[in-house]
Amino acid sequence: TQLLEQSPQFLSIQEGENLTVYCNSSSVFSSLQWYRQEPGEGPVLLVTVVTGGEVKKLKRLTFQFGDARKDSSLHITAAQPGDTGLYLCAGSYNQGGKLIFGQGTELSVKP
Amino acid sequence: NAGVMQNPRHLVRRRGQEARLRCSPMKGHSHVYWYRQLPEEGLKFMVYLQKENIIDESGMPKERFSAEFPKEGPSILRIQQVVRGDSAAYFCASSPYGAGSPLHFGNGTRLTVT
Repeated sequence: TQLLEQSPQFLSIQEGENLTVYCNSSSVFSSLQWYRQEPGEGPVLLVTVVTGGEVKKLKRLTFQFGDARKDSSLHITAAQPGDTGLYLCAGSYNQGGKLIFGQGTELSVKP
Repeated sequence: NAGVMQNPRHLVRRRGQEARLRCSPMKGHSHVYWYRQLPEEGLKFMVYLQKENIIDESGMPKERFSAEFPKEGPSILRIQQVVRGDSAAYFCASSPYGAGSPLHFGNGTRLTVT
């Protein structure tokens, strides 16, 4: 079974702090995506990375894809209460393969 | 902006009844995926369909569960003879290009089996 492991599972921080969420697998991804989900809603795509070593920035969010395409990280700078939510990484292991999700990181940012 | 539409949003069924969950993909999307989510968990893949075809059903239980995506109309996830363990949020997603491409999710159907 192909697994995607996210850490930490829960994260509670104060407004203004920085944080990093990790997504790891023993297999190589052909592409990896990060989603954010709020209670009662479906996940919303944040970013897609496809090239080993790729770094993408989305305002205060920085996404990195590992050189070997087996891992990824999401770094949030100066977190705000509006960043609160469930962050999910999802990977596709091969062309034509389904998208597998990690178990998610539940982030709570307190004012 | 007509996104992925799922209905109903909430569904309550007694044990042994049937549950039918509907999903209308975004306009122009011919690839549909169903996922299941339990509280404080990620999404578990169930089935991937393209118009009139099941591409991958490896995540769907062999018994009681079925899915279809007809040429006309929404995709349907059907659960027969529901049990309490079927209680979960079921999400549908669609994409224009299929496997590995970004997914657009609906807001889910929350199934409660009493």
